[in-house]
Amino acid sequence: TQLLEQSPQFLSIQEGENLTVYCNSSSVFSSLQWYRQEPGEGPVLLVTVVTGGEVKKLKRLTFQFGDARKDSSLHITAAQPGDTGLYLCAGAWVGSGGSNYKLTFGKGTLLTVNP
Amino acid sequence: DVKVTQSSRYLVKRTGEKVFLECVQDMDHENMFWYRQDPGLGLRLIYFSYDVKMKEKGDIPEGYSVSREKKERFSLILESASTNQTSMYLCASSPTPGQIYGYTFGSGTRLTVV
Repeated sequence: TQLLEQSPQFLSIQEGENLTVYCNSSSVFSSLQWYRQEPGEGPVLLVTVVTGGEVKKLKRLTFQFGDARKDSSLHITAAQPGDTGLYLCAGAWVGSGGSNYKLTFGKGTLLTVNP
Repeated sequence: DVKVTQSSRYLVKRTGEKVFLECVQDMDHENMFWYRQDPGLGLRLIYFSYDVKMKEKGDIPEGYSVSREKKERFSLILESASTNQTSMYLCASSPTPGQIYGYTFGSGTRLTVV
C-alpha cells in the first residue's frame, strides 16, 4: 500500500488569510486528486492533476503536482468560512493489473476558517 | 445530478448481528468501492469491484464481504458485527479510469455496533 502524508493535520485561520496544505509520498503516482469533505457528508472531488509540474486553479484554490509526481500542494487565497472542511489528497499509483483502479487517501487536513 | 445513494445514514446494530449496507449509483459506473473512515486513520479501502460479480480485497477486508449482482448496486456485508466495526462507511463509484475521472461518494452510513 502506498502512503500519503498530509500536513498540517489541523489548521485554524481567520477569514482573509492565505494558506497552503501539503501532500507528500515516497511513491510516484500516476495522478493525484484533491477532495473536500464537509461534516456528515462524503468527500467531493475538487481536482485531478496528472502531469508532473501541473498547476490547476479553481477560483481561489490553486493545486500543484510536483515535478516527480510524488507530492502536491493546495493553496487557498483569501480563505472564507465556506472553505471550512476536511481536505483529502488521494493518489493513484502506477501499478499493474487491477491496481490502477484504486486510490490511496491521505488522512486529511482539517481546515477551520473563522469569521 | 449524478448520485451515489447509501441506504441508511445512521444504523445501530448489536454485536454478532449480520449487517447489510447497500449502495446504489445511477451513473453506469464500472467501478465501485467501500471505505471506512475513522478519526486518525483516514479512509481505508475494504473492498472494491470493477465489474458485475467481480470483487477484489482492499487493505482491510477481514470481517467483511461484498456482493455485486447488478452494475448499479454494491453491498457490504458484516458477517458478525463487532464493536471494532463501529465506523463511518463510505461507498464510492467511478468510471474507468477512476484515477482520471475521480470518485463520486455517497453521504455515508454511520454504523454503531453495541
